[in-house]
Amino acid sequence: KAGVTQTPRYLIKTRGQQVTLSCSPISGHRSVSWYQQTPGQGLQFLFEYFSETQRNKGNFPGRFSGRQFSNSRSEMNVSTLELGDSALYLCASSLESASSYEQYFGPGTRLTVT
Amino acid sequence: AQSVAQPEDQVNVAEGNPLTVKCTYSVSGNPYLFWYVQYPNRGLQFLLKYITGDNLVKGSYGFEAEFNKSQTSFHLKKPSALVSDSALYFCAVRVGASGGFKTIFGAGTRLFVKA
Repeated sequence: KAGVTQTPRYLIKTRGQQVTLSCSPISGHRSVSWYQQTPGQGLQFLFEYFSETQRNKGNFPGRFSGRQFSNSRSEMNVSTLELGDSALYLCASSLESASSYEQYFGPGTRLTVT
Repeated sequence: AQSVAQPEDQVNVAEGNPLTVKCTYSVSGNPYLFWYVQYPNRGLQFLLKYITGDNLVKGSYGFEAEFNKSQTSFHLKKPSALVSDSALYFCAVRVGASGGFKTIFGAGTRLFVKA
């Protein structure tokens, strides 16, 4: 099976702009989670989608949003970018059944805000 | 609050020696525990998990972990370290939250294996 894919791999944006990141989960996986990884804060949970519904949200401002489509692909949007949004954004998918709760991660999108 | 702690920022070990990366957790109910590894400039990879059953679980690349309920620990171990094991290791726990679930990650432990 193909792994989790994320596009684009690298992005450079300026403050105030918005950005959309895309994630395609492993075929058959219905849960998709997003994380922000920075050297200082580690891995921070953004949100989780399951069958097109947001099941959980982390402690991030409303500028961070996401959605999941019927084919389980997910997008994450950040509006009004700030310098502090520079990070590696990781998407992970999970089967979420039969004790298979481990997550499989994509390579990430590295966002740089200038 | 539910949390995961990795008390060591960095672990140094010589190639061929056994290694241990420590993890403790604080959750209500029965924990689902995981270890992930991140190699430089790459995403995280799943190593192993504890859901239920035997306290000693085996995973990829010769790694194993021992679940200790009384000490609320889930330490990662390998009998003989390789230089290629050098990476960033994350312990994680799956918890229920707001009608769904989320995974809480520890801060990570950087493992250096010296030849």
